[in-house]
Amino acid sequence: EVQLMESGGGLVQPGGSLRLSCAASGFTFSSHELNWVRQAPGKGLEWVSYISNSGSTIYYADSVKGRFTISRDNSKNTLYLQMNSLRAEDTAVYYCAREALSGSSEFDYWGQGTLVTVSS
Amino acid sequence: QSVLTQPPSASGTPGQRVTISCSGSSSNIGTNYVYWYQQLPGTAPKLLIYRKDQRPSGVPDRFSGSKSGTSASLAISGLRSEDEADYYCAAWDNSLSSWVFGGGTKLTVL
Repeated sequence: EVQLMESGGGLVQPGGSLRLSCAASGFTFSSHELNWVRQAPGKGLEWVSYISNSGSTIYYADSVKGRFTISRDNSKNTLYLQMNSLRAEDTAVYYCAREALSGSSEFDYWGQGTLVTVSS
Repeated sequence: QSVLTQPPSASGTPGQRVTISCSGSSSNIGTNYVYWYQQLPGTAPKLLIYRKDQRPSGVPDRFSGSKSGTSASLAISGLRSEDEADYYCAAWDNSLSSWVFGGGTKLTVL
């Protein structure tokens, strides 16, 4: 069974840092491209970042570029999101999402999410 | 302001057919696949439609997708109370080099 489990969320002060993890199981982790998607309270989905299966290609949303860093450890089946210089507007539930191998890149599995709250 | 535009709300009665629109541009919907995700209250999003009109196993054929030019639509026929959820369209944007989502449509079953 495919599972994605995020962790690392919590309360952090503005300007602070946090590292999210997404532990994967039930599939060949190193074959899949992965993404982080967030959802502010009561708001819609916002894509945050993408990483290719090897980690060689990375993209970021403009809203987090220069502050967030996506990475993965294929030996540990884990995806990461290092978040620095956090702002109140980064408050959201952060989901990791797997892209399918179908050739059309749909997000076929999502984690349950981890809540990040940026507040003093 | 989302790159893809969806109506904020939609509604219908049980058994009815409802459509949700998603408007984009040539750099996203116009040239790439469109995806639809369903988010039930308090849960993570779930893939509903991919490659514009394909359904993952387990998704009822009451759900269907279509695309024309720079717009796409999700149709739900035989509306049921359990369809009450938020629906999001998504596509890759070549100009932005990013995934873009619609703002979401909250579907109410009256």
